[in-house]
Amino acid sequence: QLQLQESGPGLVKPSETLSLTCTVSGASISSSTYYWGWIRQPPGKGLEWIGSIFYSGSTHYNPSLKNRVSISLDTSRNYFSLILSSVTAADTAVYYCARGGFYYYALDVWGQGTTVTVSS
Amino acid sequence: QSALTQPASVSGSPGQSITISCTGASSDVGSYKFVSWYQQHPGKAPKVMIYEVSERPSGVSNRFSGSKSGNTASLTISGLQAEDEADYYCCSYAGSGTFSVFGGGTKVTVL
Repeated sequence: QLQLQESGPGLVKPSETLSLTCTVSGASISSSTYYWGWIRQPPGKGLEWIGSIFYSGSTHYNPSLKNRVSISLDTSRNYFSLILSSVTAADTAVYYCARGGFYYYALDVWGQGTTVTVSS
Repeated sequence: QSALTQPASVSGSPGQSITISCTGASSDVGSYKFVSWYQQHPGKAPKVMIYEVSERPSGVSNRFSGSKSGNTASLTISGLQAEDEADYYCCSYAGSGTFSVFGGGTKVTVL
C-alpha cells in the first residue's frame, strides 16, 4: 500500500531555509506514470500548490514562490525533498506531500502533513 | 497565478443536493479536462473525490458528481449526509508553465 510521510523541523527561524523530505513507501518514485508534489495550508486558510517534480527530474513551481523554492528527487532512497529559502511568518503552514497521476493530473495519495512554524 | 474562485460556504439539509462552483479562466479550467475536487475534514489531509472533471476514484460514493461548462467547474453532492460536512477544494491543471492552481475552498455545512 502506497504511503507518503513528511519529515523535517517543525520550527524555522525567519530568513532561514525550510527543508522537508517526503519518504515514499509501497511504490517507486521513478515511475513514469506519476509525479510528486508539495502543497501547503496556512492556519485557517486554503490549499496552495507549491510545486511538482516528474520522474525525469523536471519541475514546475508556483510562480509566487519560484525564486525561493526547489524540489528534488532521491531515487536511490525513494524520497523527494522541498527547500524553501528566506522564509517569513507567511510561510507558516501545514506542508503536505502528494502523488499525482501523469495521465489525469490529480493528487490521489497524500501524506498526513507536517506543521512548520516560522518564528524566532 | 490567481486562485480559482469558489463560494466560501454552501449549506443544505440531509438528503438535499448542493452544488459548489469553481470559476477559473480560459488558461486553466476552460482549456483542460484536468479539474479535480478534494474533500478535507478538520485536521485531516485532503482526499480526491473527483478527477478529470467528472471521474470518481474507486471507493468514492456516487453521490458525488462533477461537471464543467466553459471556465466553470461544479461539484454536486446529492443525498447530503452528515459525513459530507467538510471543506471542498477544486484544482485545475493550468498548462506546463503554471501547472496547477487551487480554488479558495468551500465549507459545506449540513444543517
